[in-house]
Amino acid sequence: NAGVMQNPRHLVRRRGQEARLRCSPMKGHSHVYWYRQLPEEGLKFMVYLQKENIIDESGMPKERFSAEFPKEGPSILRIQQVVRGDSAAYFCASSPMTGELFFGEGSRLTVL
Amino acid sequence: QKEVEQNSGPLSVPEGAIASLNCTYSDRGSQSFFWYRQYSGKSPELIMFIYSNGDKEDGRFTAQLNKASQYVSLLIRDSQPSDSATYLCAAIIGGTSYGKLTFGQGTILTVHP
Repeated sequence: NAGVMQNPRHLVRRRGQEARLRCSPMKGHSHVYWYRQLPEEGLKFMVYLQKENIIDESGMPKERFSAEFPKEGPSILRIQQVVRGDSAAYFCASSPMTGELFFGEGSRLTVL
Repeated sequence: QKEVEQNSGPLSVPEGAIASLNCTYSDRGSQSFFWYRQYSGKSPELIMFIYSNGDKEDGRFTAQLNKASQYVSLLIRDSQPSDSATYLCAAIIGGTSYGKLTFGQGTILTVHP
């Protein structure tokens, strides 16, 4: 499967724990985007990364959230000290340059 | 006013009919528009993108863009039960040149046999 790979698909955390979501873009894609879909809401842009660079993080909450896309390995979205309001589906998308986005299957975070 | 607004529906059409999905956007400078389909519990899947005024057809799908009216639509001809899903309209807002999409709330479409 050469698509965008996300893991874990489902993650359960208790309040105050950390969540790490991973995304491997499609082969040949060097641009990664993270979007969040809250229950009953639309998809919201969070961050855009290229290898080793954060290009646009205007959609990231100011605290507890961080993202990286290292030279080697997947992109990681990290949420520290999770709260119930962080429960959502987190989608990663990749694109070859500035073309259309291809979305992964998402990681569904549930905070107890 | 929301940057990208869709009639939330739900929209119900009989099998074989034309389904019409509508979207308006607030930023007159927006250039790129996308329609995604999302089945329940699944990821968004790109159906079509449109950049120029007018119609763009791909199989049973036709996207229409009217920049003067700031209006984008998606027509699905010969609707099938398998088309039942949430349809998301998205635009690149604010002159950015990369895939920072602003999505509408989505329209739930049900095609009944």
